[in-house]
Amino acid sequence: AQSVAQPEDQVNVAEGNPLTVKCTYSVSGNPYLFWYVQYPNRGLQFLLKYITGDNLVKGSYGFEAEFNKSQTSFHLKKPSALVSDSALYFCAVRDQAGTALIFGKGTTLSVSS
Amino acid sequence: GAVVSQHPSRVICKSGTSVKIECRSLDFQATTMFWYRQFPKQSLMLMATSNEGSKATYEQGVEKDKFLINHASLTLSTLTVTSAHPEDSSFYICSARDRQGADYGYTFGSGTRLTVV
Repeated sequence: AQSVAQPEDQVNVAEGNPLTVKCTYSVSGNPYLFWYVQYPNRGLQFLLKYITGDNLVKGSYGFEAEFNKSQTSFHLKKPSALVSDSALYFCAVRDQAGTALIFGKGTTLSVSS
Repeated sequence: GAVVSQHPSRVICKSGTSVKIECRSLDFQATTMFWYRQFPKQSLMLMATSNEGSKATYEQGVEKDKFLINHASLTLSTLTVTSAHPEDSSFYICSARDRQGADYGYTFGSGTRLTVV
């Protein structure tokens, strides 16, 4: 069965510094990988996805993620963090059968000014 | 882009009553809807998958008689929490598959905060 792991409950960075939120996955076949962000009491906002093609995926709000097949990772990155980036971030995966997304436990990103 | 409208955003109900949550796809046809439940500071747990015109498929451990899902049209899916109890208090989020070019994406509703008192 497919699964996603986000090893960090919380990531703290200073504004202007680069940020990385980690994600590893386990899935049969080629993975479809997603990153979403959630603000308090809100739904999920799509950031980016990897289906195929270039391993470096660029998404919304300056975020990007790198797909690494050998390490089964899909870490979310941003070169310069903003205080407004503070939120809960979820990595998700679905397999080629096109089932529902399976989410990691989430990582809280806190960006200090 | 694709939008899923979820209502109500917040509801408080008495124990033993039923609550209906609606999700509508506004500018696309959602043949498949997913319902998730999220506890505070936790991940989204898939409850069920519904396809238009057919019975929902529930995940293991989810009581289908308690969480009634109806997907009667291509733009509307509903989740009814029947005989609600305080332990049903949670944040419920729907998601619809939408076609984006040659690939399918997932659009989420804004969520419903259910409090059972």
